Amino acid sequence: AQKVTQAQTEISVVEKEDVTLDCVYETRDTTYYLFWYKQPPSGELVFLIRRNSFDEQNEISGRYSWNFQKSTSSFNFTITASQVVDSAVYFCALSESATGANNLFFGTGTRLTVIP
Amino acid sequence: GAGVSQSPRYKVAKRGQDVALRCDPISGHVSLFWYQQALGQGPEFLTYFQNEAQLDKSGLPSDRFFAERPEGSVSTLKIQRTQQEDSAVYLCASSFLLGVRDEQFFGPGTRLTVL
Repeated sequence: AQKVTQAQTEISVVEKEDVTLDCVYETRDTTYYLFWYKQPPSGELVFLIRRNSFDEQNEISGRYSWNFQKSTSSFNFTITASQVVDSAVYFCALSESATGANNLFFGTGTRLTVIP
Repeated sequence: GAGVSQSPRYKVAKRGQDVALRCDPISGHVSLFWYQQALGQGPEFLTYFQNEAQLDKSGLPSDRFFAERPEGSVSTLKIQRTQQEDSAVYLCASSFLLGVRDEQFFGPGTRLTVL
């Protein structure tokens, strides 16, 4: 079973629009971490945020914000006032404590295209 | 630079050839991970090391895949008798410790194309 589901394969928005990328996860662990990574055309994965399972407080960092809801097993990512430089593939990932390590389970990604 | 580096960046192999992919983690990082990313997919875990010990290789797709980290720093992922389905980007990541909360830093990847 897929541990992380990103149902949106591709999204296109016009510059300055807001956009939300959805992420739903599945785990039996009580201690786990959720991540978002950005993969620009260059291919390198860029870390954006990490949240632990005990902290449901939403976080805002500049134009980025994250909404973590354990009740729905979701960790959604919103970009406000999108810019062309935001065009990339975004991955949500899960790390579980039961594995004893921090190998990541990734979703299939959402390709975001911001149209100027 | 102080990031994770991988070489080569691109590799083209004929079916049946052996290849070796190298990863230089961030200095001092204990943990090292290999992931395989097929076209249009998310990265999938292959194996990880804590220092020189390979603690989990459950993600390796077949016995043609072999990884080592003999001195606890540089790691090599070797693929024997490559097949077309091995074509993918191979990503290496390192983290300071081995814990569920530790951030992984990724390298740029090696794009392997098997003809």
